Parts: sequence; structure tokens; C-alpha cells
Amino acid sequence: EAGVTQSPTHLIKTRGQQVTLRCSPISGHTSVYWYQQALGLGLQFLLWYDEGEERNRGNFPPRFSGRQFPNYSSELNVNALELEDSALYLCASRGDRGRNSPLHFGNGTRLTVT
Amino acid sequence: AQSVAQPEDQVNVAEGNPLTVKCTYSVSGNPYLFWYVQYPNRGLQFLLKYITGDNLVKGSYGFEAEFNKSQTSFHLKKPSALVSDSALYFCAVSLWDTDKLIFGTGTRLQVFP
Repeated sequence: EAGVTQSPTHLIKTRGQQVTLRCSPISGHTSVYWYQQALGLGLQFLLWYDEGEERNRGNFPPRFSGRQFPNYSSELNVNALELEDSALYLCASRGDRGRNSPLHFGNGTRLTVT
Repeated sequence: AQSVAQPEDQVNVAEGNPLTVKCTYSVSGNPYLFWYVQYPNRGLQFLLKYITGDNLVKGSYGFEAEFNKSQTSFHLKKPSALVSDSALYFCAVSLWDTDKLIFGTGTRLQVFP
């Protein structure tokens, strides 16, 4: 069974640019979560999608957005990049909706903003 | 506020010795607790979870965790550490009113030969 896949693995952007990160969940998983892992800050919850709908959003500005497609893959878009957006962006999927089911993570996209 | 705390930024232990990585939580209702491990430049891997039942939970790679309701703790343990256990460990709690996981800040485990 293929795991959660994310692309690209690394990305370098300039401040003010826009970026799109992609995530494919484990087959059969309908929920996708996005987390930001900045240096020294642990994992910060960004967005949660389930069945194509945004279900919850973390404490991030509106320039962070995303969507989930009918095949349950997902995109994370970040507009007007700032230096502090440099981080590892992790996508995770979950098979059963419910808080007792673990998240399965991809290897992340390392974004560097210069 | 609902939260999870990992009081130690780093834990150092000699190979073969027992290890403990601490986690405490503060949530409404019954907590669902998880431990994850992260190796360099990788995503998080699920180790174990506590949902209900036996307070001692066994997981992957010989790890176990003990749920203590009175102390609101969920410490990760292993009887005999390996150098290959060196990694970043995250405790997480699933909130009762949403399906998202809240993570601690992580503890770096360093096992010395």
C-alpha cells in the first residue's frame, strides 16, 4: 500500500511569490490534514479537509488556503510568501473519520523563502 | 485551553538503558493520545495510541506508553534503548470537538553507544 505522497520535496521561492504544494493521501483515505513544522516551533495545524470540504482551519492568515479534489488529493496554496513561511509542510491522511484513528504522514515539502 | 506539553527538549540515554520521554496533557473530556517519531528529513511515523482500557499501551519498535489519568500524563518508555532510536518524538492529543491532532513541541532523543 502506497503511503501519503507529497510533491515537490524541496522548493525555493522568493518573498512575495506564490507556491502550491500537493498531497496524495493513502488510497481509501478521505481526510487530509496540513501541518507546518517551522524550526523550533513544533507542528502547527493548518487545514483539515474531508470529503472535499474544508472542516477546520488553524490560526494562519488567509493567504494560506487549499482545496481537496474529488479523488481526495489536496493542494496547499500560500500567497505573498514571507520569510517566516520557510518550513517543512507536512500532509497527513486518515482513514476512519474519528479522533481515535492515527494520522499517516507524508515526508513533507521543504519550503525555503529567500 | 486544550494542550499537550513535552517538558524536555532533549533526552540523552546510553544504549541498553531504559528511556522515558515525558508528555502531559490538558483537554476536555476523555483524551485520545498518540506518540509519533520523526527521523531527519522525514514525516512523522505513528508509534502507538491510547484510546481506552489498559493504561499500558504497547506499540512499534518495542516502545510502550503509560497513561496516568490522575497525573494527566502519557509518558513514552522503552526498556532498552538502541542507537537507532535517536530521533524526534512527538506526543499528540485528539480533541473531543474536532478531528484534528494537537502536537507537543517534540523531544529529541539521543542514544549514545
